[in-house]
Amino acid sequence: EVQLLESGGGLVQPGGSLRLSCAASGFTFSNYAMSWVRQAPGKGLEWVSAISGSGGSTNYADSVKGRFTISRDNSKNTLYLQMNSLRGDDTAVYYCAKVVDGYNNFDYWGQGTLVTVSS
Amino acid sequence: DIQMTQSPSSLSASVGDRVTITCRASQSISTYLNWYQQKPGKAPKLLIYAASSLQSGVPSRFSGSGSGTDFTLTISSLQPEDFATYYCQQSYITPYTFGQGTKLEIK
Repeated sequence: EVQLLESGGGLVQPGGSLRLSCAASGFTFSNYAMSWVRQAPGKGLEWVSAISGSGGSTNYADSVKGRFTISRDNSKNTLYLQMNSLRGDDTAVYYCAKVVDGYNNFDYWGQGTLVTVSS
Repeated sequence: DIQMTQSPSSLSASVGDRVTITCRASQSISTYLNWYQQKPGKAPKLLIYAASSLQSGVPSRFSGSGSGTDFTLTISSLQPEDFATYYCQQSYITPYTFGQGTKLEIK
């Protein structure tokens, strides 16, 4: 059974940093691209970033480019999102999602972790 | 960036109704269109991928159609568990943009 478990969310001040983790199990992690998707309170879904199975290719939304870094450790079956220079509009539930090869859709999602940026 | 526009933004319907939600892309995305269902406090769930392919385990009352810029999600006979918010998403090119969502409510 595929499982994705995010952690690392919490309250952080504007300008601060946070690192999210997503522990994966139930599939061969290194074979699949992964993504982060976020959802601000009461709002819709926003794609944040994606990384290839090897980790050699990454993509970012313009809203986070230069501030967030996606990475993965295939030996630990774990996906990361390093978030720096956090702003109030980064407040959201952050989901990690497994990417389907070829279609680039998200077939499995974690339960999400809440990041609140506030002083 | 490709803009995804869903309509309607909200919809009231009854159990047993046939419901259609539309999604329009700002440029052609072939069939790189996916539909998700989200219930309050839960992660989204993939329903339809590649515009018309039913994800494993999803009931057959859900169907999708379209290509290019215009797409539809149809629920043939609404069940109580279908009341949720639905999102379309293009996976043609990054950034992988979502529609604003359609909230399906009980009439």
